Amino acid sequence: GAVVSQHPSRVICKSGTSVKIECRSLDFQATTMFWYRQFPKQSLMLMATSNEGSKATYEQGVEKDKFLINHASLTLSTLTVTSAHPEDSSFYICSASHRGVGGYTFGSGTRLTVV
Amino acid sequence: AQSVTQPDIHITVSEGASLELRCNYSYGATPYLFWYVQSPGQGLQLLLKYFSGDTLVQGIKGFEAEFKRSQSSFNLRKPSVHWSDAAEYFCAETGANNLFFGTGTRLTVIP
Repeated sequence: GAVVSQHPSRVICKSGTSVKIECRSLDFQATTMFWYRQFPKQSLMLMATSNEGSKATYEQGVEKDKFLINHASLTLSTLTVTSAHPEDSSFYICSASHRGVGGYTFGSGTRLTVV
Repeated sequence: AQSVTQPDIHITVSEGASLELRCNYSYGATPYLFWYVQSPGQGLQLLLKYFSGDTLVQGIKGFEAEFKRSQSSFNLRKPSVHWSDAAEYFCAETGANNLFFGTGTRLTVIP
């Protein structure tokens, strides 16, 4: 079945540094990638939607200069948290839509802790 | 390992018929459970959630879900399906540190 590989699964970084999270579709072409974050015991919050080769569309309240999303190919999308702060500590998860097939597959998520 | 199972990959129902989408979770302690819906080209939308309390949870768009600890289930129901309900539905569970999704159930509604 369709698989989205997301890594790292866990990362701890110092405040002020940047962290890159990758989501890679292993056996299908992902035309659209959704990026979500989740705070403990809360529901997911959509951060942005990215289509291959174009700029991401950010949800209201999400800082696009802080959360940089790149979707340069049909198999790879990245989320970079720039100048991370402790309040950015969260669980980030991606979801890819399948070109020509339909359906969605989630990555396994990344637990970011900023200290 | 913690997992969420949605046994039905694809379900087709007639408009106006009742609907039940199955979900089984595996985290044995106190699960936090969610149902999301995703329409084509859209992000996930939260339908309902269960944290504690009444085991029958009411959500948006006329959906409800019932938490049954004895069966480790959290099935989603709707008494009368509308054509606009056609979408992909995901069950999710959050454990101590992570969020786990089922593989989704695609709902097709026929006139």
